Amino acid sequence: DSGVTQTPKHLITATGQRVTLRCSPRSGDLSVYWYQQSLDQGLQFLIQYYNGEERAKGNILERFSAQQFPDLHSELNLSSLELGDSALYFCASSSWDSREKLFFGSGTQLSVL
Amino acid sequence: KNQVEQSPQSLIILEGKNCTLQCNYTVSPFSNLRWYKQDTGRGPVSLTIMTFSENTKSNGRYTATLDADTKQSSLHITASQLSDSASYICVVTSSGGSYIPTFGRGTSLIVHP
Repeated sequence: DSGVTQTPKHLITATGQRVTLRCSPRSGDLSVYWYQQSLDQGLQFLIQYYNGEERAKGNILERFSAQQFPDLHSELNLSSLELGDSALYFCASSSWDSREKLFFGSGTQLSVL
Repeated sequence: KNQVEQSPQSLIILEGKNCTLQCNYTVSPFSNLRWYKQDTGRGPVSLTIMTFSENTKSNGRYTATLDADTKQSSLHITASQLSDSASYICVVTSSGGSYIPTFGRGTSLIVHP
């Protein structure tokens, strides 16, 4: 168990809809990262938050947004969903930037039908 | 542009055999390199970390090497087991900017009995 909790584990929705993925980092970790992994693809970095502030942005679409709350949990919002958004979405946390190792949650499997 | 290339893309070996996975990177300036193991449908888990001054590091049957001059790393798995079947991901972090790690696409390893 990595200590990172992601909910829900599975999500099935229709095109055009909006969903929210939730992540609780390991106790004490200030950094939260979001990654997208499509079928047979590598992990694509979406966005990083550090102690409530956006730290870095990767290949995140404008339809996607995220935030980190004062209690350090994070949410990834995906709107106007398309079939191509179907993927595994991982959250990871670390204790100091990326020099510390990333602890990954078990992911949210999103299926857009 | 920071890039991490892994080879081979996939590998099938028999149980008990050894194998070596390769990672080439262009990330600069270099901070550290990690190898992660990702079981199907699960989040990646860190196996080893290599910093600039380290050439070899072992973690049980896993041995990672780093040549910072040629910007290459390898992960050697000894006496493979069925449970080694997974994707192995090379992740390199730069010490410049926001320390966002760059992920390789992974090598898919299948160990057959």
